[in-house]
Amino acid sequence: GAGVSQSPRYKVAKRGQDVALRCDPISGHVSLFWYQQALGQGPEFLTYFQNEAQLDKSGLPSDRFFAERPEGSVSTLKIQRTQQEDSAVYLCASSLGRSRAGQNYGYTFGSGTRLTVV
Amino acid sequence: QKEVEQNSGPLSVPEGAIASLNCTYSDRVSQSFFWYRQYSGKSPELIMSIYSNGDKEDGRFTAQLNKASQYVSLLIRDSQPSDSATYLCAVRSSNTGKLIFGQGTTLQVKP
Repeated sequence: GAGVSQSPRYKVAKRGQDVALRCDPISGHVSLFWYQQALGQGPEFLTYFQNEAQLDKSGLPSDRFFAERPEGSVSTLKIQRTQQEDSAVYLCASSLGRSRAGQNYGYTFGSGTRLTVV
Repeated sequence: QKEVEQNSGPLSVPEGAIASLNCTYSDRVSQSFFWYRQYSGKSPELIMSIYSNGDKEDGRFTAQLNKASQYVSLLIRDSQPSDSATYLCAVRSSNTGKLIFGQGTTLQVKP
């Protein structure tokens, strides 16, 4: 597709419920990132994939959070046993990676999934 | 100290004025810097990238980078009410390659 697609756009979960958030990156983008954005804050890094390899998961706040990208394209962020503090917008971004000059391309963000845990 | 710091604002400027947005970062060896614009309820949109010291101009936008001072700024000339948004500064981590964002500065351009 032309842009990064995320679904669902909105998700309301009862506390303790498991949720799965999907990201479909721009075709050909090898790098895929997940961010969490709380109201009034900048995006906070969660995890990063290069193709199917998860190279950095240092931002995942707990072992309830899990991400995968098994075929190097679509990615799923799963949150188990959701808590109220998980309520936020979850942003997915993709990037071409590095240019031949070694400069890093910027990210293109999807529209995000707004998760509300009640 | 946060890795990327911005004044949260709001910064209020009259229409037609120059808006100046500032950002400092802590990773001395960072090489890639980005400005994103985020309208309320929308996702961040890349507006400028800068990699070398000095100025980079694109239309009404100018990004300025001073690596010695670990400082990057964004100037918006002839500000329009449609420029009212939150502006996020992002710095590429030299260790991991991930983008680290500041908390954003809210800009209000008043007609």
